[in-house]
Amino acid sequence: AQTVTQSQPEMSVQEAETVTLSCTYDTSESDYYLFWYKQPPSRQMILVIRQEAYKQQNATENRFSVNFQKAAKSFSLKISDSQLGDAAMYFCAYRSNINAGGTSYGKLTFGQGTILTVHP
Amino acid sequence: DAMVIQNPRYQVTQFGKPVTLSCSQTLNHNVMYWYQQKSSQAPKLLFHYYDKDFNNEADTPDNFQSRRPNTSFCFLDIRSPGLGDTAMYLCATSKGYTGRNGYTFGSGTRLTVV
Repeated sequence: AQTVTQSQPEMSVQEAETVTLSCTYDTSESDYYLFWYKQPPSRQMILVIRQEAYKQQNATENRFSVNFQKAAKSFSLKISDSQLGDAAMYFCAYRSNINAGGTSYGKLTFGQGTILTVHP
Repeated sequence: DAMVIQNPRYQVTQFGKPVTLSCSQTLNHNVMYWYQQKSSQAPKLLFHYYDKDFNNEADTPDNFQSRRPNTSFCFLDIRSPGLGDTAMYLCATSKGYTGRNGYTFGSGTRLTVV
């Protein structure tokens, strides 16, 4: 079974600065997706950025970018020019793209989450 | 806008009193998931429907049941809630099991058992 680990329970950053959230995962598969989700307090979980495992190029979405190291099974999220609205819990998630008859096919496996605080 | 809607947003129920949470979607996604998220923890998958096929997770207590009367609606029934069932319950949808779009989540129902 796949596992996702976020080793930073909490992080903080000053407004306009850059912060990096860490995520590692364990899998024996070669075809999968990785996601970062943002969950503001009492609000909906929304997709921030995604990465296909077969793509070497790191995904970028405006101020959000990832550092995807497939061999090291590492998937960190960098937030540039941090804004107060970035304050939230961030979850790293893995989704298999292989139907091998196992029970994990198609399911999102989440890390434990990182609470990001942005200071004005 | 197409979306996933959960009702109610907040629910307080008494210990042992059955409660039903609802989820509806306008995305026409064929897969619907229910997650339980306790305070400051990762969401934990309870079960999901692929079309009409129900798929239970091995460690989901029997106290939790689900119904999906049609594509748009899915319900989570807790037959005899315990204090440990206090949590946020998240509904999510996806189009099939694969694809780059991950899930679309509802806003969640925060359930408190007293």
